[in-house]
Amino acid sequence: GQQLNQSPQSMFIQEGEDVSMNCTSSSIFNTWLWYKQEPGEGPVLLIALYKAGELTSNGRLTAQFGITRKDSFLNISASIPSDVGIYFCAGPPSGTYKYIFGTGTRLKVLA
Amino acid sequence: KAGVTQTPRYLIKTRGQQVTLSCSPISGHRSVSWYQQTPGQGLQFLFEYFSETQRNKGNFPGRFSGRQFSNSRSEMNVSTLELGDSALYLCASSSATGGVTEAFFGQGTRLTVV
Repeated sequence: GQQLNQSPQSMFIQEGEDVSMNCTSSSIFNTWLWYKQEPGEGPVLLIALYKAGELTSNGRLTAQFGITRKDSFLNISASIPSDVGIYFCAGPPSGTYKYIFGTGTRLKVLA
Repeated sequence: KAGVTQTPRYLIKTRGQQVTLSCSPISGHRSVSWYQQTPGQGLQFLFEYFSETQRNKGNFPGRFSGRQFSNSRSEMNVSTLELGDSALYLCASSSATGGVTEAFFGQGTRLTVV
């Protein structure tokens, strides 16, 4: 079945550092979504991407839709303690309304 | 506007019982999807409803079923509960009309089967 490979699986960083994570798919996606989930809560949408090559920012977060349409990247600049959580990429394979989620990147920020 | 509301937040059931979870989508959203989240399997798609019709289905046994009402509210039912059904069940809504749009999640229902 469809899979989204997300890396790294986990990251421990110092406050103030920049973070990069990525997501790759075995098939083409027309939409890429990035979510953050905190313990005991549902995922919260951070950024949505709709076009190959698109670069979108939301505060300190920047995400890019890869030009092959099979990958996406999320960067967090100047991390702060409240950035802690699990970050998921997600998207519906082309022609479906069924969202596939990546395995998640667990981020821990050391103050 | 109000977000996605899931009830109840927590449930404890015994093996063999059945359970019904409820989801109220964001006002105006006609698509509701359900997901199961476990530490081992991550977020797995269960099914998606749009205008009271199931449009997509994941790879779960027939014990997992759902429905959507005319006001877009959705329910998910799991019959003959097994220990492995213990998970966080998440509902997401989107406007998804003709094209794919962002999905917004509720806080989830934490189901524990004992």
